[in-house]
Amino acid sequence: DADVTQTPRNRITKTGKRIMLECSQTKGHDRMYWYRQDPGLGLRLIYYSFDVKDINKGEISDGYSVSRQAQAKFSLSLESAIPNQTALYFCATSDGLAGSYEQYFGPGTRLTVT
Amino acid sequence: AQSVTQLGSHVSVSEGALVLLRCNYSSSVPPYLFWYVQYPNQGLQLLLKYTTGATLVKGINGFEAEFKKSETSFHLTKPSAHMSDAAEYFCAVRITGANNLFFGTGTRLTVIP
Repeated sequence: DADVTQTPRNRITKTGKRIMLECSQTKGHDRMYWYRQDPGLGLRLIYYSFDVKDINKGEISDGYSVSRQAQAKFSLSLESAIPNQTALYFCATSDGLAGSYEQYFGPGTRLTVT
Repeated sequence: AQSVTQLGSHVSVSEGALVLLRCNYSSSVPPYLFWYVQYPNQGLQLLLKYTTGATLVKGINGFEAEFKKSETSFHLTKPSAHMSDAAEYFCAVRITGANNLFFGTGTRLTVIP
């Protein structure tokens, strides 16, 4: 079974709708991240969380919110989706131990906003 | 300020030829450096990383990268390309004091038979 899972894998929604993307991990990591990937722009950080009570904005948090329901679960919400939020969204995790900064990625959620 | 720059959004090589993907970072202090690979319809997978110590780092699938402080570079190489290497490659850095990674814009590698 995959260590980092994302649901749904694909989603088409309409402008103005609320949508939630979910991420779960079995790696036991305390740090979790949400990125979006756009062609030619690489990965940009939306939000990150270092534990259940810690939520931090990333580079492009406007229009998004997150919830860290448990150490293993981190969800991303679009309160009112707009077409320029069409992108590939990735969840990632990392271990908070000193010197360990590599991140482990889920398979991604392809979101289309029409 | 751009923390990491990948030169060339697309690179094409013939099967069996040398693969060279370029990455430069901007930091006055040597950062932690990573290369990730993304195969079609998949998430990112760690290829290799540099934290401290030996500047030539070997990764999976025959890839390696060399940290050159004087050039602020961390280029990825593989002596002989294989068709299965076709993917998108991302360089990432962790700047000292930062809590997260900064990713480059990616280089798509095409391998020509």
